[in-house]
Amino acid sequence: AQSVAQPEDQVNVAEGNPLTVKCTYSVSGNPYLFWYVQYPNRGLQFLLKYITGDNLVKGSYGFEAEFNKSQTSFHLKKPSALVSDSALYFCAVRDISFQKLVFGTGTRLLVSP
Amino acid sequence: DAGVIQSPRHEVTEMGQEVTLRCKPISGHDYLFWYRQTMMRGLELLIYFNNNVPIDDSGMPEDRFSAKMPNASFSTLKIQPSEPRDSAVYFCASMASGAKNIQYFGAGTRLSVL
Repeated sequence: AQSVAQPEDQVNVAEGNPLTVKCTYSVSGNPYLFWYVQYPNRGLQFLLKYITGDNLVKGSYGFEAEFNKSQTSFHLKKPSALVSDSALYFCAVRDISFQKLVFGTGTRLLVSP
Repeated sequence: DAGVIQSPRHEVTEMGQEVTLRCKPISGHDYLFWYRQTMMRGLELLIYFNNNVPIDDSGMPEDRFSAKMPNASFSTLKIQPSEPRDSAVYFCASMASGAKNIQYFGAGTRLSVL
């Protein structure tokens, strides 16, 4: 079965520093990978996706993610964190049904001023 | 487009009462998903529809939960009777086929069962 793992419950980073939120995946076949963000009292918002092509995917709000097939990872990155980036981040993979997504457990990002 | 619209935003009810949550998907989207989010269990997919037909309801916790999609612009998730352990945030999401599996989420309904 398709699955993703987010090994960190929380990531703390100072404003202006680079941030990384980790995600590893386990799939049969080629992976469709996603990152979503959830701000307090809001629904999840799509950030970016990887299907094929360049291993570095650029998304909304200055975020990018690096697909690494040998390490089965899809880490979310941003060169310079903002306090407003503080939120809950979910990694997801397309299910083998090709219709639904399987979400990770989420990683809380806290950016301190 | 206004996005996925859920109502109510907050619902407080007493154990044993019937609860109905509502969702209006984005116009033109042919998939609709219902999720539940709790601290303990994270984000769980309950059921999803394609062209108003339920495709996978394996995530529905028990018979007290039911979901319907009478037309392309409306879906309901009903809990009868409700129990305190049903307290959670319930999200609806919609997706267009051919859109590379990008789901759009509503703001959610926060349910508290006392």
